[in-house]
Amino acid sequence: SQKIEQNSEALNIQEGKTATLTCNYTNYSPAYLQWYRQDPGRGPVFLLLIRENEKEKRKERLKVTFDTTLKQSLFHITASQPADSATYLCALYSSASKIIFGSGTRLSIRP
Amino acid sequence: DAGVIQSPRHEVTEMGQEVTLRCKPISGHNSLFWYRQTMMRGLELLIYFNNNVPIDDSGMPEDRFSAKMPNASFSTLKIQPSEPRDSAVYFCASTGLTDTQYFGPGTRLTVL
Repeated sequence: SQKIEQNSEALNIQEGKTATLTCNYTNYSPAYLQWYRQDPGRGPVFLLLIRENEKEKRKERLKVTFDTTLKQSLFHITASQPADSATYLCALYSSASKIIFGSGTRLSIRP
Repeated sequence: DAGVIQSPRHEVTEMGQEVTLRCKPISGHNSLFWYRQTMMRGLELLIYFNNNVPIDDSGMPEDRFSAKMPNASFSTLKIQPSEPRDSAVYFCASTGLTDTQYFGPGTRLTVL
């Protein structure tokens, strides 16, 4: 069956370090992948999209990679700040226009 | 733009009652999605509409759930009868020319 896994439920890192979140998938051929941020009590907010033919995408301190061979996407936040603390969700879109969200990783940045 | 609007923000009801959740998508967006989020199951797609037509309702858990989109600016998700296991946060999202999903603030449903 199709499955998406995000590396861990929670990740705690020191301010200023790079946070790396992982999204792995099986039995799935996504046309593209998105990353969202969700704060408590709010809906997810779109951050970045990366297509299957793209290796890397950047936006300010954010970087996403997509390896279709490993079936994995990595989401990096450089120079992390306490304000980056949130839950981050990956979402895969298949060619059949189906969307599946991962369960999310709760990121905490300590000062 | 006001973004996606959902109402009510919170709903507490008793088992067996009918619950209706409402959503107003962003003006000009042609696709609308209903999701349910719980700690156990994460964010699950229930149904989505394209140009007011239901395209995929395979995520609707059972016949107690129904959704309608009578026009481009309004959709409802109805649960009848409601059960305690339906307690969750229900999100509505809309998309326009791109596949970027714009989520509403959600409705927190508690069924006692």
